[in-house]
Amino acid sequence: TQLLEQSPQFLSIQEGENLTVYCNSSSVFSSLQWYRQEPGEGPVLLVTVVTGGEVKKLKRLTFQFGDARKDSSLHITAAQPGDTGLYLCAGSDFNKFYFGSGTKLNVKP
Amino acid sequence: NAGVTQTPKFQVLKTGQSMTLQCAQDMNHNSMYWYRQDPGMGLRLIYYSASEGTTDKGEVPNGYNVSRLNKREFSLRLESAAPSQTSVYFCASLLGAGGNQPQHFGDGTRLSIL
Repeated sequence: TQLLEQSPQFLSIQEGENLTVYCNSSSVFSSLQWYRQEPGEGPVLLVTVVTGGEVKKLKRLTFQFGDARKDSSLHITAAQPGDTGLYLCAGSDFNKFYFGSGTKLNVKP
Repeated sequence: NAGVTQTPKFQVLKTGQSMTLQCAQDMNHNSMYWYRQDPGMGLRLIYYSASEGTTDKGEVPNGYNVSRLNKREFSLRLESAAPSQTSVYFCASLLGAGGNQPQHFGDGTRLSIL
């Protein structure tokens, strides 16, 4: 089993603060995806990173893939209440995906 | 825009009963997946089907069987339900093979086994 560890598990912050979520593994993945999940719904893809060292930006969200393709981070600038949700990373090993346990983010107005 | 449709949305079973969870996608995707999500844990892969006519085990296949009925449909069967199988089950589909493409998820089936 290829394990992906996410930290922190829970994060409660005030609107306007910055935060970083980490996704670490001892395994190398061909790509890494970040998803956001709201209660009662399935996860929705935010981004896929493929190349070691790659950085992708999606408005206030910045995603980075580690040089060795084993870890990734998600940084949110000036968090808003609409960012509240469960953030999941998923590593790809060709046809299979391995998910981290998730970071539950609560942004208070 | 239906996307991935899962039925039923909720189900309560007694230990030992059998049940089939249904999943259908209308995006002409080749790959389909079944996951379970337990509190405090991410999604764990049960089975997947990379293409019509093929199925493979994931991380936690014990106690489950699957059928890729056609390109659109991928069902998950619990032959003899156990309380440890209480979970939220998600089906997902992917256009091709490999991890560079997005998985599209259904809204889940919440299954309780008493």
